[in-house]
Amino acid sequence: DQQVKQNSPSLSVQEGRISILNCDYTNSMFDYFLWYKKYPAEGPTFLISISSIKDKNEDGRFTVFLNKSAKHLSLHIVPSQPGDSAVYFCAASAMDSNYQLIWGAGTKLIIKP
Amino acid sequence: DAGITQSPRHKVTETGTPVTLRCHQTENHRYMYWYRQDPGHGLRLIHYSYGVKDTDKGEVSDGYSVSRSKTEDFLLTLESATSSQTSVYFCAISEPGQFVLGEQFFGPGTRLTVL
Repeated sequence: DQQVKQNSPSLSVQEGRISILNCDYTNSMFDYFLWYKKYPAEGPTFLISISSIKDKNEDGRFTVFLNKSAKHLSLHIVPSQPGDSAVYFCAASAMDSNYQLIWGAGTKLIIKP
Repeated sequence: DAGITQSPRHKVTETGTPVTLRCHQTENHRYMYWYRQDPGHGLRLIHYSYGVKDTDKGEVSDGYSVSRSKTEDFLLTLESATSSQTSVYFCAISEPGQFVLGEQFFGPGTRLTVL
């Protein structure tokens, strides 16, 4: 049973517009959430994170929103750029599991010119 | 970029043969991880290590063993490879308390094909 779900395998967005990637989770013990970005033939790289005590975290063009009651988080990229084309993974962790990461299946973001 | 290398980067082997993948880090991070990535599953943890000679199982540990005799090296062994172990394998490292909580740094991956 997947504890972290990314229900959209792919997403296509026009360059300059907003990209919204979604992630749902089932384990209420998760208290830290991270987004990773992955290019082909490379390892994932950390993008942005959010603690469960917050509902928003911003870093430049990237903003993560957390809705604990809905067990849902989203990553907003504004404006979207061609270099943002990649696979985005949502990951969650809990203090009582020594912060091991549980990963979603990923969403492939394609930025169209 | 964090100093993490994986070897080999690509390997093709036959069912029933032993395979060892190596992860080497130059960051002196305490934690090291082995993941596999398969379509539709994201990354799944195979084994991890929290210090020299200290290892534990992850979500998909059956058919795999690990060893860590030095801080910098973490070996993943498939004792008798099966076709279901065809995957891309990623090594990761982390140092709790030093960076973003839970942040892991990844190696470039090893693509393993078992025929």
